[in-house]
Amino acid sequence: GQQLNQSPQSMFIQEGEDVSMNCTSSSIFNTWLWYKQDPGEGPVLLIALYKAGELTSNGRLTAQFGITRKDSFLNISASIPSDVGIYFCAVTSGTYKYIFGTGTRLKVLA
Amino acid sequence: EPEVTQTPSHQVTQMGQEVILRCVPISNHLYFYWYRQILGQKVEFLVSFYNNEISEKSEIFDDQFSVERPDGSNFTLKIRSTKLEDSAMYFCASSRLETGELFFGEGSRLTVL
Repeated sequence: GQQLNQSPQSMFIQEGEDVSMNCTSSSIFNTWLWYKQDPGEGPVLLIALYKAGELTSNGRLTAQFGITRKDSFLNISASIPSDVGIYFCAVTSGTYKYIFGTGTRLKVLA
Repeated sequence: EPEVTQTPSHQVTQMGQEVILRCVPISNHLYFYWYRQILGQKVEFLVSFYNNEISEKSEIFDDQFSVERPDGSNFTLKIRSTKLEDSAMYFCASSRLETGELFFGEGSRLTVL
């Protein structure tokens, strides 16, 4: 089946550092979404990307939709303790389903 | 701000029992989904629903599962005869457009004993 790989799997960073994570696919997708999930809660949408090459920001978050439509990255600037959680990418090409990536677990050291 | 709501937040059931999980999607959304997440693992697609019928389903969504939109607001997932491996968080989601932003509920934790 279709695979959506995220890297790194997990990371520890110091508060105030910038974070970068990415998501890659073997297939082309037309919509890329980034989510954050806190323990015991549902995924919360952070950023949506619809156009190849598009760079979108949401506060300290910046995400880019790769020009090949097979990858995306998410950057978090000046991390804070509440950035802790699991970050998922999700993709769709209009087939009535979104596929989720394997997740990047972020831990921030104060 | 509109949100997807799910009930119950936690359900404990005996193996073989029927379970119904309920969701109220965002009111102007047209596409509805169920996902499941086994503890610590990734979010897995179960089924999508549009125009009062299933649009797509995964291999997980076998004959034991069914979905229904019984009225204008609720969207339910029924598991007819639960198995131990059905224990997971079940998330309902909705979107206004087919490839638009997907919004999730807080989830229903199902524990099968």
